[in-house]
Amino acid sequence: EPEVTQTPSHQVTQMGQEVILRCVPISNHLYFYWYRQILGQKVEFLVSFYNNEISEKSEIFDDQFSVERPDGSNFTLKIRSTKLEDSAMYFCASSVASVYNEQFFGPGTRLTVL
Amino acid sequence: AQKVTQAQTEISVVEKEDVTLDCVYETRDTTYYLFWYKQPPSGELVFLIRRNSFDEQNEISGRYSWNFQKSTSSFNFTITASQVVDSAVYFCALSEVFYNQGGKLIFGQGTELSVKP
Repeated sequence: EPEVTQTPSHQVTQMGQEVILRCVPISNHLYFYWYRQILGQKVEFLVSFYNNEISEKSEIFDDQFSVERPDGSNFTLKIRSTKLEDSAMYFCASSVASVYNEQFFGPGTRLTVL
Repeated sequence: AQKVTQAQTEISVVEKEDVTLDCVYETRDTTYYLFWYKQPPSGELVFLIRRNSFDEQNEISGRYSWNFQKSTSSFNFTITASQVVDSAVYFCALSEVFYNQGGKLIFGQGTELSVKP
């Protein structure tokens, strides 16, 4: 069964460093998303991406964040200068269509900023 | 404003008990979708069900059932004869159609269900 994959599973970084979180969505999916979940809290939307551009982004997704689909398979989230409060689980998701279809989530990358 | 409220933070039951997880939503939209996701201790998010706003028919899938009531803006989830493997955090989520360019999901706070043997 096709699934969304994410690497690494855990990333530890120093404050101020850049990190890139990687995702491989399900191959025939067209819509891609990043969410984050601070420990013990709800899942929060960061950004949606379709047709090689951002469809929507949340207030959390400030200038420190960027997304890219550099080739036909990977979908990346970059945080340019990490802050302590960026520590969270980051989930990638993909769906065939936008609002009408369920989103399939990857296993997540736990980011720890020291 | 769009919002999902799961008032029950934690629920603890004994195996074989029935349990209902509540979800109340607010939306500006007349067309929207509601979802339930399960997050087991391993951390991944597992899709359980999607329901659109025009379909108020209740759904049953094995031990799981969902009750959608538009009049009270609720989409409750019942597990019948709970099992230890049902222990997880359950999230209700909303996706608006008209006011939602990119299909984002708005999640509730989640309900942590603990099923004890």
